[in-house]
Amino acid sequence: AQKVTQAQTEISVVEKEDVTLDCVYETRDTTYYLFWYKQPPSGELVFLIRRNSFDEQNEISGRYSWNFQKSTSSFNFTITASQVVDSAVYFCALGPSNTGKLIFGQGTTLQVKP
Amino acid sequence: DSGVTQTPKHLITATGQRVTLRCSPRSGDLSVYWYQQSLDQGLQFLIQYYNGEERAKGNILERFSAQQFPDLHSELNLSSLELGDSALYFCASSAWTGGINEQFFGPGTRLTVL
Repeated sequence: AQKVTQAQTEISVVEKEDVTLDCVYETRDTTYYLFWYKQPPSGELVFLIRRNSFDEQNEISGRYSWNFQKSTSSFNFTITASQVVDSAVYFCALGPSNTGKLIFGQGTTLQVKP
Repeated sequence: DSGVTQTPKHLITATGQRVTLRCSPRSGDLSVYWYQQSLDQGLQFLIQYYNGEERAKGNILERFSAQQFPDLHSELNLSSLELGDSALYFCASSAWTGGINEQFFGPGTRLTVL
């Protein structure tokens, strides 16, 4: 079975704190893709990053960084020096290579307080 | 702005009715996906079309159907509506059919069934 688990339902931090959102996935495929999306209060889903299963290099984009560890089937997302505008629901998703569908986790609601 | 448009933004209707949700993909994207987001089920993949052909099916009810037209826009038809169909329906598009490409989501249509 293919599944994505985001164990943290809600996280609350104070502005400028670092925060890590956890994502654990299950798949028997050897080729697959992992994604993070952000859903701000306005409701749209915003694409953040895509990684393939063969690329375990960590990635940094500004205040965002992602840690992909195949050995633990995890793809965690860290926001450094969080800001109020980071408040949103964040979704991790698994994309099997042979289909177009995305399998989403339940999402983590991040609240950044000023 | 992802470049994916969805109409209408909000829809309020009664049980037993039928509605049509419309989606225009990003320019050049051949794949269209439909997702349902509800409080109890989370984000669930419904169906995918690629260049007019159905490519993948998820947990889509028999009361629901979709199609992609020659101009690549897509419609999701929901019939015999029930209270439980109230949800946010997203359309997404991507360049290709496989899971390798990130999907760009539209703003969603919020359906309320009374």
